[in-house]
Amino acid sequence: QSVLTQPPSVSGAPGQRVTISCTGSSSNIGASYDVHWYQQLPGTAPKLLISGDNIRPSGVPDRFSGSKSGTSASLAITGLQAEDEADYYCQSYDNSLSGSWVFGGGTKLTVL
Amino acid sequence: QVQLVQSGADVKKPGASVKVSCKVSGYTLTELSMHWVRQAPGRGFEWMGGFHPEDGETIYAEQFQGRVTMTEDTFTDTAYMDLGSLTSEDTAVYYCAASPRSGYYKVPFDYWGQGTLVTVSS
Repeated sequence: QSVLTQPPSVSGAPGQRVTISCTGSSSNIGASYDVHWYQQLPGTAPKLLISGDNIRPSGVPDRFSGSKSGTSASLAITGLQAEDEADYYCQSYDNSLSGSWVFGGGTKLTVL
Repeated sequence: QVQLVQSGADVKKPGASVKVSCKVSGYTLTELSMHWVRQAPGRGFEWMGGFHPEDGETIYAEQFQGRVTMTEDTFTDTAYMDLGSLTSEDTAVYYCAASPRSGYYKVPFDYWGQGTLVTVSS
């Protein structure tokens, strides 16, 4: 069971907007640690999609955006495209016990 | 262009150890904070440990302490992850992941290796 909770799957038609939630607690997102998002295409390594809650690295389309409030964060994808079909993971730091980086369980995005 | 190139897939018997390498190019290893993350089949990511640049030491996740060692060869810009006392539960793809940014608690994992499949089977 992952420390950060994501929905197992979301779907949307091309051109639509989808959001993926990431729910944490007072020891991670709620403690104001940054949330990062990764995209993992089938059979490949993860790629950094959003850093610092809402910053897109160079080369990431502005269709992708991140937000955070309280103990939760969200990834929004607008203008859905077929190539967006992938697994998406959130990540943050958790200061419980001795401290560690934690991930969400991942969300499979299906483009209908 | 930063690249992290990992060693190839490996098969180990229960109780054995495995050593995975991660060769860096485009940066020197001293310019990066290196972490190791694993992904079991059909599962999410599990952080194993990483370098804390401010403290100058490697921090290991509690569940791996005593069983994992992460080292770096700065002459060859290669990082290594050694995991011992393997069981079938350790069957996973192991990734090295790095960041050139300062700080520890805020920085994302900017660059990832291609992954190394380690299979533990008798």
